[in-house]
Amino acid sequence: KAGVTQTPRYLIKTRGQQVTLSCSPISGHRSVSWYQQTPGQGLQFLFEYFSETQRNKGNFPGRFSGRQFSNSRSEMNVSTLELGDSALYLCASSHGHLYEQYFGPGTRLTVT
Amino acid sequence: AQTVTQSQPEMSVQEAETVTLSCTYDTSESDYYLFWYKQPPSRQMILVIRQEAYKQQNATENRFSVNFQKAAKSFSLKISDSQLGDAAMYFCAYRSAGWTNAGKSTFGDGTTLTVKP
Repeated sequence: KAGVTQTPRYLIKTRGQQVTLSCSPISGHRSVSWYQQTPGQGLQFLFEYFSETQRNKGNFPGRFSGRQFSNSRSEMNVSTLELGDSALYLCASSHGHLYEQYFGPGTRLTVT
Repeated sequence: AQTVTQSQPEMSVQEAETVTLSCTYDTSESDYYLFWYKQPPSRQMILVIRQEAYKQQNATENRFSVNFQKAAKSFSLKISDSQLGDAAMYFCAYRSAGWTNAGKSTFGDGTTLTVKP
């Protein structure tokens, strides 16, 4: 089985712009979660989608949003980028909340 | 809210030796899952081992085993016969078994493991 894939792998944006990141889960996985990883804050949960519904959300401002499509692929969007949004964004998929999460390689976002 | 604490920011071990990474967590829940993930310099997070809180038996995966002490809320990872490829950052993670925190894992700050040849 193919693993979790994320595109793009690297991204450079300017403050004030918006960005969309994509995640394709492992085939058959219906749950997709997003995490932000920074040296200062560590790994922080952004949100989780299951069968196209956001089931859980972390403590991030409304500039961070996401969605999930019928094929379980997910996108997250960050609007009005700030320097502090520079991070590695990780996507993880699983069969459901009782199962372990498998992570993608991440998207490295740099905001200048 | 659940918290996960890894008190060892860095650890080192000689190749072929054994090392134990510590993790403690705080929760009021009785049903949950605990995980150890490995993140090598390539940055791909890899699942190492999983433990269900309702199971008393400690999980084992080849050279990796855990010491799960539910009452003490402790979940340490033992790596036996350490190999150069084990060098990575290791994260301890907690995940609730309930729907309330579905899809959310809470991670510790990580332990950087160096393996010396």
